[in-house]
Amino acid sequence: SQQGEEDPQALSIQEGENATMNCSYKTSINNLQWYRQNSGRGLVHLILIRSNEREKHSGRLRVTLDTSKKSSSLLITASRAADTASYFCAPRTAGNKLTFGGGTRVLVKP
Amino acid sequence: DGGITQSPKYLFRKEGQNVTLSCEQNLNHDAMYWYRQDPGQGLRLIYYSQIVNDFQKGDIAEGYSVSREKKESFPLTVTSAQKNPTAFYLCASSMVLGGGGELFFGEGSRLTVL
Repeated sequence: SQQGEEDPQALSIQEGENATMNCSYKTSINNLQWYRQNSGRGLVHLILIRSNEREKHSGRLRVTLDTSKKSSSLLITASRAADTASYFCAPRTAGNKLTFGGGTRVLVKP
Repeated sequence: DGGITQSPKYLFRKEGQNVTLSCEQNLNHDAMYWYRQDPGQGLRLIYYSQIVNDFQKGDIAEGYSVSREKKESFPLTVTSAQKNPTAFYLCASSMVLGGGGELFFGEGSRLTVL
């Protein structure tokens, strides 16, 4: 089934640094979504980018989408300790279900 | 407040027992989903429903059953046929028409088989 594959699996940075993670997928999509999960909690939707968009911003988040390479990236600028979490991408194809990859675990050290 | 409520948060089960996890939403969403998450892993889709009285199997439906008798409710039963049921279970909902299909998640139910 279509699912995003995040890279790297884990990322450790200092507070104030930027964090970048990537997502690859296999087939055509309607949109691609990014979610955050704090340890032991449910996922929270962060941002959605449509297939006809190339870049989108939301606060300290910047998402890019390259449909020719079937890839997306999520950049978190000026990271904070509260950004410590797992981040998942979810490509959305026709139909109404999302599938998730293994996620990128981000640790922001104070 | 609008949202999704899962219960119980923690559940212990003896082998051979069926257990039912509750999921209720007051977001007026048509679609609801159940995912399973194992430690350090991503989410795998168990079942989903786009309308009352209808549901479809996801990628790992074996050993699970669901019902969708009301729009607000989508309970998941973990049966004794599920060989490795210890996991974190997440329920979600979304609009079917309009929007981008963003999922709203509950806080999860952690099932441990003793």
